[in-house]
Amino acid sequence: GENVEQHPSTLSVQEGDSAVIKCTYSDSASNYFPWYKQELGKRPQLIIDIRSNVGEKKDQRIAVTLNKTAKHFSLHITETQPEDSAVYFCAPLYNNNDMRFGAGTRLTVKP
Amino acid sequence: DGGITQSPKYLFRKEGQNVTLSCEQNLNHDAMYWYRQDPGQGLRLIYYSQIVNDFQKGDIAEGYSVSREKKESFPLTVTSAQKNPTAFYLCASSMASSGNTIYFGEGSWLTVV
Repeated sequence: GENVEQHPSTLSVQEGDSAVIKCTYSDSASNYFPWYKQELGKRPQLIIDIRSNVGEKKDQRIAVTLNKTAKHFSLHITETQPEDSAVYFCAPLYNNNDMRFGAGTRLTVKP
Repeated sequence: DGGITQSPKYLFRKEGQNVTLSCEQNLNHDAMYWYRQDPGQGLRLIYYSQIVNDFQKGDIAEGYSVSREKKESFPLTVTSAQKNPTAFYLCASSMASSGNTIYFGEGSWLTVV
């Protein structure tokens, strides 16, 4: 199955700084690369995604970049705010709807 | 109101008992999933189903069983064979085509007492 790794496992930044989380995967056939945000005790929710024919996608303060050759994609959050504090998961798509999640990155934004 | 409904939200099980967690969706999604999440950990895939009457094991299927008799329903049974079932269980669904967003239910907390 797909081998998914996220780095770092924890990240602490000051409010207003940028945060970057990287996800590496093993299956070169993966073609869909989403990021999910999970607040404490709640369900994960999609925040941004990208498909294999695109290298970068941006939505306000959030962006995702994809490097298919190196098999990794990254989540970029600029101008971080305390409400960005959560656990972030990547879930590169493997085997058509058999979606495996990374172990998660706990982001803490200090006011 | 469309979405994924899981029940119960909190469940306590005695050791040796089987329990069934319900998951219903009215999004007309073909694919449904069950994930397990332990405190402070990631999501691990238990079972998934791409179509009615068909399902596949995920990474941690041992001690669990599922059925998919209807498109909108994908119940998960935690059997007595599951040695450490205390966890947060998340049901999810998506359209069948590759690369569609997965939507989660609110989750069910299972505790063995």
